[in-house]
Amino acid sequence: GAGVSQSPSNKVTEKGKDVELRCDPISGHTALYWYRQSLGQGLEFLIYFQGNSAPDKSGLPSDRFSAERTGGSVSTLTIQRTQQEDSAVYLCASSQPNYNEQFFGPGTRLTVL
Amino acid sequence: AQSVTQLGSHVSVSEGALVLLRCNYSSSVPPYLFWYVQYPNQGLQLLLKYTSAATLVKGINGFEAEFKKSETSFHLTKPSAHMSDAAEYFCAVSEVDSSYKLIFGSGTRLLVRP
Repeated sequence: GAGVSQSPSNKVTEKGKDVELRCDPISGHTALYWYRQSLGQGLEFLIYFQGNSAPDKSGLPSDRFSAERTGGSVSTLTIQRTQQEDSAVYLCASSQPNYNEQFFGPGTRLTVL
Repeated sequence: AQSVTQLGSHVSVSEGALVLLRCNYSSSVPPYLFWYVQYPNQGLQLLLKYTSAATLVKGINGFEAEFKKSETSFHLTKPSAHMSDAAEYFCAVSEVDSSYKLIFGSGTRLLVRP
């Protein structure tokens, strides 16, 4: 079956612009995660969704970052007023409910100029 | 808070040699432990996981890892390295009774010499 997909694969933006990153999880996976991978910080957890609610947002670095999930499926991570330090690869993962194996998408590489 | 330490940001082995990638964790309760591999410009692929069953876990591509509670370790091994094993490897831990979010180590890049 299809895996986790993310779009776009690459995004180049100017400092101060808003960006939206999309994640399509594996069908039937109710848990969805966003992570960020950067040279300075390694792999960091951002936010966790169970269905459409986000019980754990503890990893969002600032209020410029937000995410939503609709229909228990697609999720969008939005970064407002992007800064150069937001440059990173943003990874999405999904899993079955209460199941511990997460399946990762290929990531979106964000470059802020 | 849980944490994961991977010793050695780079490990270089000859093709056919033993691969040993080290991972130590800190957790107040028995955790779930994982090894993921990342090939260039790709996402993360699960190699193997420990979920409190057998302490010796076998994964894909000939890799295995042993959970040692007394040493709080979960080292990854492969008896004989192949050129295709060259990649970055991440050890991760997740809490059992929470969101199951993953806390990752800093990663180890494995280089395989011909």
